[in-house]
Parts: sequence; structure tokens; C-alpha cells
Amino acid sequence: GDQVEQSPSALSLHEGTGSALRCNFTTTMRAVQWFRKNSRGSLINLFYLASGTKENGRLKSAFDSKERYSTLHIRDAQLEDSGTYFCAAETNSAGNKLTFGIGTRVLVRP
Amino acid sequence: NSKVIQTPRYLVKGQGQKAKMRCIPEKGHPVVFWYQQNKNNEFKFLINFQNQEVLQQIDMTEKRFSAECPSNSPCSLEIQSSEAGDSALYLCASSGNTEVFFGKGTRLTVV
Repeated sequence: GDQVEQSPSALSLHEGTGSALRCNFTTTMRAVQWFRKNSRGSLINLFYLASGTKENGRLKSAFDSKERYSTLHIRDAQLEDSGTYFCAAETNSAGNKLTFGIGTRVLVRP
Repeated sequence: NSKVIQTPRYLVKGQGQKAKMRCIPEKGHPVVFWYQQNKNNEFKFLINFQNQEVLQQIDMTEKRFSAECPSNSPCSLEIQSSEAGDSALYLCASSGNTEVFFGKGTRLTVV
């Protein structure tokens, strides 16, 4: 079936530094969403992209449907950026069902 | 940022018991999803609805779960006979035409 390969599985960052998360897709996806699961367990919406790039504060995301990948860049990491980040890709089937990556556990240290 | 409301937050059931959870989607969102997230953070799609109609569901859902999204009432997902392997976080989500928003989930423990 449709697969989403997310990497890395875990990431440790010092405050003020940056890094990137990546999701590769085994098939062409219609759109991608990025979420962060916070300490209370809520899934917070970060980005929805059908193409191109979007930026929100210190986060930036890109999605290339043809090349079958999406990235999430974190710059100037802060302690509150810690959490588990998920990408989820929307297949071309009816009802915009999402297929999730396995998640990236991000820990930002002082 | 999400207005999807799920109840209860926690549910404990014995094996063989029914387990029912509810979801109020965001107002104006015609599409509702249920996902199961296990302790390894893996998401499993269970079923989705457009208005009151089932769009897709997996085999397990069809055989062991009862789900509905009646108009003017909360959506519900009910396991007919709980098994230990059903212990998980059950997430409801809703969508307009694009972005999907998730509730906080119902954590089911089957003892």
C-alpha cells in the first residue's frame, strides 16, 4: 500500500541550532500535512501543502509531489519545539485519507 | 487550533465488553475520520465518513466495530467486543476539503 518513510526517527538539537526532517513517499501524493504532538498529547497542525513551500516563524516546509518528498526545517530551535513531529500524506482517493509517517522525536536542549 | 471534541478522554473496559467513544467534528466539516494510534506512534486508519455516509473502512472496522455519523448528533465509534490488542489512542479528525484537524483522542485500555 501507500507508504510514508519519515526520517530521522529521533533528533537532538541545541537551542539556537536548526535541522531538517524528511518524508519520502512511495507514490504520488496529493498533499502533505505536518503535525507536532505536544506534551499534552494534542496533534497541532503546522502546515498543509499541496505544492511548493510555506513558512511560519522558525518553521519552513516544502512539498514536491513529482519527486515524492516533503521536508520540514526548524531554525533557531527553542525548548518549546520539543515534541514528536509527524508528516501525513493525502492519497488521491476520495475523502482525503492521510497516511502517516512514523514520527520524529525532537528534543531541544539548552 | 483544533475544535474537534472527543469524549471520553479515557476509557477502561474488560475483555469482551463494548467500548464506545464519541466525536463532535468541527462545524461545517463534512468529512470525519477515525484513526487508531498504538504505543509505537503508528497510525492506523479505521474509517471515514462524508456527511453520514461511509467512504472507506478497513476490514477490522467492518467486522468488529460499529461506527456512525448521524446528522445533528456526535459521531461514534464502538468496539463490539474489546480485546487486549484494542488498547490504543483513538483519534477522531475532521476536514472541510483540505486540512485535517484532530481531536485529543480517547485512550482505551482493555484489561
